[in-house]
Amino acid sequence: EAGVAQSPRYKIIEKRQSVAFWCNPISGHATLYWYQQILGQGPKLLIQFQNNGVVDDSQLPKDRFSAERLKGVDSTLKIQPAKLEDSAVYLCASSLGGQRGYTFGSGTRLTVV
Amino acid sequence: DQQVKQNSPSLSVQEGRISILNCDYTNSMFDYFLWYKKYPAEGPTFLISISSIKDKNEDGRFTVFLNKSAKHLSLHIVPSQPGDSAVYFCAASATSGNTGKLIFGQGTTLQVKP
Repeated sequence: EAGVAQSPRYKIIEKRQSVAFWCNPISGHATLYWYQQILGQGPKLLIQFQNNGVVDDSQLPKDRFSAERLKGVDSTLKIQPAKLEDSAVYLCASSLGGQRGYTFGSGTRLTVV
Repeated sequence: DQQVKQNSPSLSVQEGRISILNCDYTNSMFDYFLWYKKYPAEGPTFLISISSIKDKNEDGRFTVFLNKSAKHLSLHIVPSQPGDSAVYFCAASATSGNTGKLIFGQGTTLQVKP
């Protein structure tokens, strides 16, 4: 079974620029999550999709972050404009349902300078 | 508000000895707990979990203990091996109205010395 694919692996941008991350979940997984992991902290949920609908985006900074999941498969997370404090690893995870079957991708490490 | 806390940022143990990683939580609605292991440049991988109806769950060298009255859980690794060196995250979930959302602790870096 192929894992959760994320790209790019690394990205360095200047503050106020925009950036986008891509995630391809495990085939058949209806639930997709985007987590933000700041250095020294645990992952924090940004947004959760069930198929192509948003289940929870309560911690997504909507003034600068946006996410979509077209056709209930791939997902993109965008930051515009980026701030220094957005430097983190952005993790995508998918599951068939619930927390038991979470599979994380390797993440995208974003550095904002 | 840190609902899940891992108060020890790091732990170093000798190969063959026991590693004990601790986790505390504050939300009494949490009823399912998980441990994830993370190697550098990789995503977290699921290790072991426990439901609140149990106080112990064992899987090979890994055992998780849950003390609901103290809102505390621990992960025991016996015997510890150098390949266990990684960051360990405790996570919690409230299955009532379950959306699958996990709340993670800050992580504990375990180093197992040969």
